[in-house]
Amino acid sequence: AQSVTQLGSHVSVSEGALVLLRCNYSSSVPPYLFWYVQYPNQGLQLLLKYTTGATLVKGINGFEAEFKKSETSFHLTKPSAHMSDAAEYFCAVSPTGGSYIPTFGRGTSLIVHP
Amino acid sequence: GAVVSQHPSRVICKSGTSVKIECRSLDFQATTMFWYRQFPKQSLMLMATSNEGSKATYEQGVEKDKFLINHASLTLSTLTVTSAHPEDSSFYICSARDVKPEGWGGRHLGYTFGSGTRLTVV
Repeated sequence: AQSVTQLGSHVSVSEGALVLLRCNYSSSVPPYLFWYVQYPNQGLQLLLKYTTGATLVKGINGFEAEFKKSETSFHLTKPSAHMSDAAEYFCAVSPTGGSYIPTFGRGTSLIVHP
Repeated sequence: GAVVSQHPSRVICKSGTSVKIECRSLDFQATTMFWYRQFPKQSLMLMATSNEGSKATYEQGVEKDKFLINHASLTLSTLTVTSAHPEDSSFYICSARDVKPEGWGGRHLGYTFGSGTRLTVV
């Protein structure tokens, strides 16, 4: 079984400040890991993913995440927040075989203050 | 990149009627599609997994006779909400597993989501 925990349902930062959204997972084997962003009344857009290879993954819009197996974490960061980054962010894990059904975290709402 | 088109984006229907939502993969073949329901300020709740050419697999607690899923081709899956009631009002999202055809089983690239359908039952 796999699960995802996103610490903090809301994260508030000032424009230009560092963004850190936390994600920890539980899985019997190392899974595939994803971060998605959702704007109001829209579907989810992939920010970045880790499947194999380099553990530091760079995504779109200046976001990056690092897979830390020892900490079972996949935290999302961005050096400098922009107003347009305000959205809902979801961390997800999927098995590396079988049905590939993903499990999503509860989501973290990123609030950016001017 | 992979694109999934979901229609309609918004629909308002009367209680007791049925509504069909379409999900199409535009530039890739989606053997597996997922249907989710999302309540305000909450995460995605998986309703069912749709496999091309076979019956959908529903999650526990989801009424298969109420939420009919058809995945007749490699690019189209539909969700029909039958005899809709106000409590069915929600945001429905589909997604498709993006697989690069590479060796047995392909290379899993992630999931591509449709833009969602806001269903309001009055």
